[in-house]
Amino acid sequence: EVQLVESGGGLVKPGRSLRLSCTASGFTFGDYAMSWFRQAPGKGLEWVGFIRSKAYGGTTEYAASVKGRFTISRDDSKSIAYLQMNSLKTEDTAVYYCTREVGATAYWGQGTLVTVSS
Amino acid sequence: DIQMTQSPSSLSASVGDRVTITCQASQDISNYLNWYQQKPGKAPKLLIYDASNLETGVPSRFSGSGSGTDFTFTISSLQPEDIATYYCQQYDNLPPLFGGGTKVEIK
Repeated sequence: EVQLVESGGGLVKPGRSLRLSCTASGFTFGDYAMSWFRQAPGKGLEWVGFIRSKAYGGTTEYAASVKGRFTISRDDSKSIAYLQMNSLKTEDTAVYYCTREVGATAYWGQGTLVTVSS
Repeated sequence: DIQMTQSPSSLSASVGDRVTITCQASQDISNYLNWYQQKPGKAPKLLIYDASNLETGVPSRFSGSGSGTDFTFTISSLQPEDIATYYCQQYDNLPPLFGGGTKVEIK
């Protein structure tokens, strides 16, 4: 069974950093791209970015709203994807979800809440 | 970026009613369109991929159609457990943007 479990969320002050983790199981992690999405309280869904599998270069793509501040990485030996968030803003407050793949994303984690507030 | 215009933003219907949601892309996305269901406090659930393909395990009362720029999502007979917000999403190009969502309630 495919499982994705996010962790690392919490309350952080504006301008600070936070790293989220997405621990995967139930599939060959290294074979798949991994994505991050987010949802601000009471709002719709927003794609944050994704990292390709090593077979496709392991390269990353980001939404314009986070480019230059957020970095996605992966550790295939541990089946973990990371979302490093720097220079956090109040508007980054959201539930962050990791997913397998970036197109038709059938597998989502349960989400982790990030609150950016002074 | 390809913009997705979803309508209506909310609707209220009776159990057993046919419910239709539309999604319009700002440019041709072929059939690279998903439909998701999201219940409060839960992650989105993929219902339809490639515009019309039913995800495994999803009840057959859910269906999707369309290609190019105009897409339709239908619940043939609304059930109480279908109360949720539904989103379309294009994945023809990055960024894979979502529609604004349709909140479905029981009348």
